[in-house]
Amino acid sequence: DAKTTQPPSMDCAEGRAANLPCNHSTISGNEYVYWYRQIHSQGPQYIIHGLKNNETNEMASLIITEDRKSSTLILPHATLRDTAVYYCIVNTGTASKLTFGTGTRLQVTL
Amino acid sequence: SAVISQKPSRDICQRGTSLTIQCQVDSQVTMMFWYRQQPGQSLTLIATANQGSEATYESGFVIDKFPISRPNLTFSTLTVSNMSPEDSSIYLCSVPWGSRKDEQYFGPGTRLTVT
Repeated sequence: DAKTTQPPSMDCAEGRAANLPCNHSTISGNEYVYWYRQIHSQGPQYIIHGLKNNETNEMASLIITEDRKSSTLILPHATLRDTAVYYCIVNTGTASKLTFGTGTRLQVTL
Repeated sequence: SAVISQKPSRDICQRGTSLTIQCQVDSQVTMMFWYRQQPGQSLTLIATANQGSEATYESGFVIDKFPISRPNLTFSTLTVSNMSPEDSSIYLCSVPWGSRKDEQYFGPGTRLTVT
Protein backbone atom coordinates (compact mmCIF):
# COMPACT_ATOMS: atom_id res chain seq x y z
CA ASP A 1 0.00 0.00 0.00
CA ALA A 2 1.17 3.51 -0.76
CA LYS A 3 2.55 5.63 2.07
CA THR A 4 0.76 8.78 3.18
CA THR A 5 2.06 11.98 4.76
CA GLN A 6 -0.07 14.17 7.03
CA PRO A 7 0.70 17.15 9.26
CA PRO A 8 0.94 16.00 12.88
CA SER A 9 -1.55 18.53 14.20
CA MET A 10 -4.00 21.24 13.22
CA ASP A 11 -6.32 23.64 14.98
CA CYS A 12 -9.72 24.83 13.83
CA ALA A 13 -12.26 27.19 15.31
CA GLU A 14 -15.68 25.76 15.96
CA GLY A 15 -18.08 26.48 13.12
CA ARG A 16 -15.32 26.94 10.59
CA ALA A 17 -14.32 24.48 7.92
CA ALA A 18 -11.51 22.10 8.78
CA ASN A 19 -9.32 21.22 5.82
CA LEU A 20 -7.03 18.28 6.45
CA PRO A 21 -4.38 17.59 3.79
CA CYS A 22 -2.77 14.30 2.85
CA ASN A 23 0.02 13.50 0.43
CA HIS A 24 0.11 10.11 -1.28
CA SER A 25 2.46 10.62 -4.19
CA THR A 26 3.10 6.89 -4.75
CA ILE A 27 -0.55 5.90 -5.00
CA SER A 28 -1.32 3.23 -7.58
CA GLY A 29 -4.12 3.32 -10.10
CA ASN A 30 -6.22 0.76 -8.25
CA GLU A 31 -5.79 2.29 -4.79
CA TYR A 32 -8.42 4.31 -3.01
CA VAL A 33 -7.96 7.16 -0.55
CA TYR A 34 -9.68 6.48 2.78
CA TRP A 35 -10.20 8.67 5.80
CA TYR A 36 -10.86 7.42 9.30
CA ARG A 37 -10.86 9.23 12.59
CA GLN A 38 -10.31 8.15 16.15
CA ILE A 39 -11.89 10.09 18.93
CA HIS A 40 -10.10 9.68 22.22
CA SER A 41 -10.54 6.23 23.78
CA GLN A 42 -12.77 4.97 20.98
CA GLY A 43 -12.25 2.67 17.99
CA PRO A 44 -11.55 4.32 14.63
CA GLN A 45 -14.56 5.51 12.65
CA TYR A 46 -14.87 5.36 8.88
CA ILE A 47 -15.48 8.79 7.33
CA ILE A 48 -15.25 8.65 3.55
CA HIS A 49 -13.26 7.23 0.66
CA GLY A 50 -12.73 7.90 -3.04
CA LEU A 51 -10.80 6.80 -6.09
CA LYS A 52 -10.44 9.88 -8.27
CA ASN A 53 -13.68 11.82 -8.14
CA ASN A 54 -14.55 14.15 -5.30
CA GLU A 55 -16.89 12.58 -2.79
CA THR A 56 -19.32 13.98 -0.24
CA ASN A 57 -21.38 12.37 2.47
CA GLU A 58 -23.14 13.50 5.61
CA MET A 59 -19.88 13.73 7.52
CA ALA A 60 -17.37 15.27 5.14
CA SER A 61 -16.14 16.00 1.63
CA LEU A 62 -13.09 14.47 0.00
CA ILE A 63 -11.22 16.40 -2.66
CA ILE A 64 -8.66 14.41 -4.66
CA THR A 65 -6.27 16.22 -6.99
CA GLU A 66 -6.35 15.32 -10.66
CA ASP A 67 -2.99 13.55 -10.46
CA ARG A 68 -4.23 11.73 -7.32
CA LYS A 69 -1.03 12.51 -5.47
CA SER A 70 -2.78 14.41 -2.71
CA SER A 71 -6.18 14.89 -1.18
CA THR A 72 -8.02 17.05 1.34
CA LEU A 73 -10.68 16.04 3.81
CA ILE A 74 -13.11 18.84 4.53
CA LEU A 75 -15.30 19.03 7.61
CA PRO A 76 -17.57 21.92 6.56
CA HIS A 77 -18.62 23.15 10.00
CA ALA A 78 -16.32 21.71 12.64
CA THR A 79 -17.67 21.17 16.14
CA LEU A 80 -15.93 20.30 19.39
CA ARG A 81 -16.98 16.69 18.84
CA ASP A 82 -14.82 16.58 15.72
CA THR A 83 -11.69 16.80 17.87
CA ALA A 84 -9.88 13.57 17.00
CA VAL A 85 -6.93 12.01 15.20
CA TYR A 86 -7.65 11.80 11.48
CA TYR A 87 -5.98 9.09 9.43
CA CYS A 88 -5.52 9.18 5.68
CA ILE A 89 -5.01 5.64 4.34
CA VAL A 90 -4.43 4.35 0.84
CA ASN A 91 -5.36 0.80 -0.11
CA THR A 92 -7.11 -1.30 -2.69
CA GLY A 93 -10.47 -1.29 -0.96
CA THR A 94 -12.55 -4.39 -0.66
CA ALA A 95 -11.87 -6.26 2.57
CA SER A 96 -8.35 -4.91 2.68
CA LYS A 97 -6.34 -4.54 5.83
CA LEU A 98 -5.63 -0.96 6.88
CA THR A 99 -2.14 0.42 7.40
CA PHE A 100 -2.39 3.35 9.79
CA GLY A 101 0.14 6.15 9.77
CA THR A 102 0.53 8.71 12.53
CA GLY A 103 -2.43 10.82 11.41
CA THR A 104 -3.33 14.45 12.07
CA ARG A 105 -4.54 15.47 15.50
CA LEU A 106 -7.31 18.00 14.91
CA GLN A 107 -8.18 20.24 17.83
CA VAL A 108 -11.42 22.17 17.45
CA THR A 109 -11.62 25.15 19.78
CA LEU A 110 -14.28 27.64 20.82
CA SER B 1 -23.54 -0.10 10.14
CA ALA B 2 -22.19 -3.11 11.99
CA VAL B 3 -22.56 -3.34 15.74
CA ILE B 4 -19.40 -4.75 17.28
CA SER B 5 -18.84 -5.46 20.93
CA GLN B 6 -15.69 -6.50 22.75
CA LYS B 7 -15.19 -8.10 26.11
CA PRO B 8 -13.66 -7.21 28.45
CA SER B 9 -13.61 -3.47 27.90
CA ARG B 10 -10.54 -3.22 30.09
CA ASP B 11 -8.45 -5.39 32.34
CA ILE B 12 -5.38 -5.27 34.52
CA CYS B 13 -3.33 -8.45 34.44
CA GLN B 14 -0.15 -9.75 35.98
CA ARG B 15 2.86 -10.58 33.88
CA GLY B 16 3.10 -14.18 32.81
CA THR B 17 -0.64 -14.68 32.61
CA SER B 18 -2.88 -14.80 29.54
CA LEU B 19 -6.02 -12.88 28.60
CA THR B 20 -8.62 -13.81 26.00
CA ILE B 21 -10.45 -10.95 24.31
CA GLN B 22 -13.78 -11.57 22.64
CA CYS B 23 -15.19 -9.79 19.60
CA GLN B 24 -18.88 -10.21 18.70
CA VAL B 25 -20.51 -8.84 15.54
CA ASP B 26 -24.26 -8.52 15.04
CA SER B 27 -24.05 -9.85 11.47
CA GLN B 28 -22.19 -12.63 9.72
CA VAL B 29 -18.85 -11.55 8.30
CA THR B 30 -16.24 -13.60 6.50
CA MET B 31 -13.22 -11.64 7.59
CA MET B 32 -12.23 -10.06 10.87
CA PHE B 33 -9.11 -8.08 11.73
CA TRP B 34 -7.30 -7.70 15.03
CA TYR B 35 -5.26 -4.53 15.73
CA ARG B 36 -3.07 -3.35 18.56
CA GLN B 37 -2.64 0.25 19.63
CA GLN B 38 0.23 0.81 22.02
CA PRO B 39 0.13 3.87 24.27
CA GLY B 40 0.39 7.08 22.25
CA GLN B 41 0.83 5.15 19.01
CA SER B 42 -1.18 4.42 15.92
CA LEU B 43 -2.89 1.11 15.17
CA THR B 44 -0.93 -1.92 13.98
CA LEU B 45 -2.53 -4.94 12.40
CA ILE B 46 -1.89 -8.19 14.28
CA ALA B 47 -3.70 -10.70 12.11
CA THR B 48 -6.58 -11.42 9.78
CA ALA B 49 -9.05 -14.07 10.88
CA ASN B 50 -11.23 -15.93 8.40
CA GLN B 51 -13.81 -18.43 9.51
CA GLY B 52 -12.74 -21.99 8.86
CA SER B 53 -9.06 -21.30 8.30
CA GLU B 54 -5.95 -20.39 10.23
CA ALA B 55 -5.42 -16.73 10.95
CA THR B 56 -2.86 -14.85 8.88
CA TYR B 57 -0.35 -13.00 11.04
CA GLU B 58 1.55 -9.84 10.16
CA SER B 59 5.29 -9.54 10.46
CA GLY B 60 6.32 -9.36 14.09
CA PHE B 61 3.31 -11.24 15.43
CA VAL B 62 3.24 -15.00 16.01
CA ILE B 63 0.51 -17.49 16.74
CA ASP B 64 2.10 -18.71 19.97
CA LYS B 65 1.90 -15.23 21.43
CA PHE B 66 -1.45 -14.17 19.92
CA PRO B 67 -3.56 -17.26 19.19
CA ILE B 68 -6.82 -16.45 17.46
CA SER B 69 -10.01 -18.45 17.19
CA ARG B 70 -12.80 -17.92 14.69
CA PRO B 71 -15.46 -20.53 15.48
CA ASN B 72 -18.25 -18.90 13.46
CA LEU B 73 -19.09 -15.93 11.26
CA THR B 74 -20.05 -13.58 14.11
CA PHE B 75 -17.39 -14.24 16.73
CA SER B 76 -13.63 -14.27 17.25
CA THR B 77 -11.21 -14.33 20.14
CA LEU B 78 -7.67 -13.05 20.50
CA THR B 79 -5.52 -14.35 23.33
CA VAL B 80 -2.53 -12.41 24.57
CA SER B 81 -0.28 -15.10 26.06
CA ASN B 82 2.47 -14.95 28.66
CA MET B 83 1.97 -11.23 29.03
CA SER B 84 4.63 -8.68 29.80
CA PRO B 85 4.26 -4.93 30.45
CA GLU B 86 5.09 -4.32 26.77
CA ASP B 87 1.75 -5.94 25.89
CA SER B 88 -0.10 -3.09 27.58
CA SER B 89 -2.18 -1.73 24.72
CA ILE B 90 -5.65 -1.28 23.35
CA TYR B 91 -6.70 -4.28 21.28
CA LEU B 92 -9.37 -3.73 18.64
CA CYS B 93 -11.24 -5.93 16.22
CA SER B 94 -12.71 -4.72 12.95
CA VAL B 95 -14.80 -6.07 10.10
CA PRO B 96 -15.19 -5.06 6.46
CA TRP B 97 -18.57 -3.51 5.83
CA GLY B 98 -20.68 -1.83 3.15
CA SER B 99 -22.08 -3.11 -0.12
CA ARG B 100 -18.57 -3.70 -1.46
CA LYS B 101 -16.99 -4.48 1.90
CA ASP B 102 -14.77 -1.44 1.39
CA GLU B 103 -15.39 0.23 4.74
CA GLN B 104 -14.20 -1.09 8.08
CA TYR B 105 -16.06 -0.91 11.33
CA PHE B 106 -14.18 -1.16 14.57
CA GLY B 107 -15.10 -2.45 17.96
CA PRO B 108 -14.72 -0.19 21.00
CA GLY B 109 -11.44 -1.84 21.99
CA THR B 110 -10.08 -3.66 25.03
CA ARG B 111 -7.69 -1.67 27.15
CA LEU B 112 -5.12 -4.02 28.66
CA THR B 113 -2.66 -3.08 31.36
CA VAL B 114 0.01 -5.59 32.38
CA THR B 115 1.73 -5.07 35.71
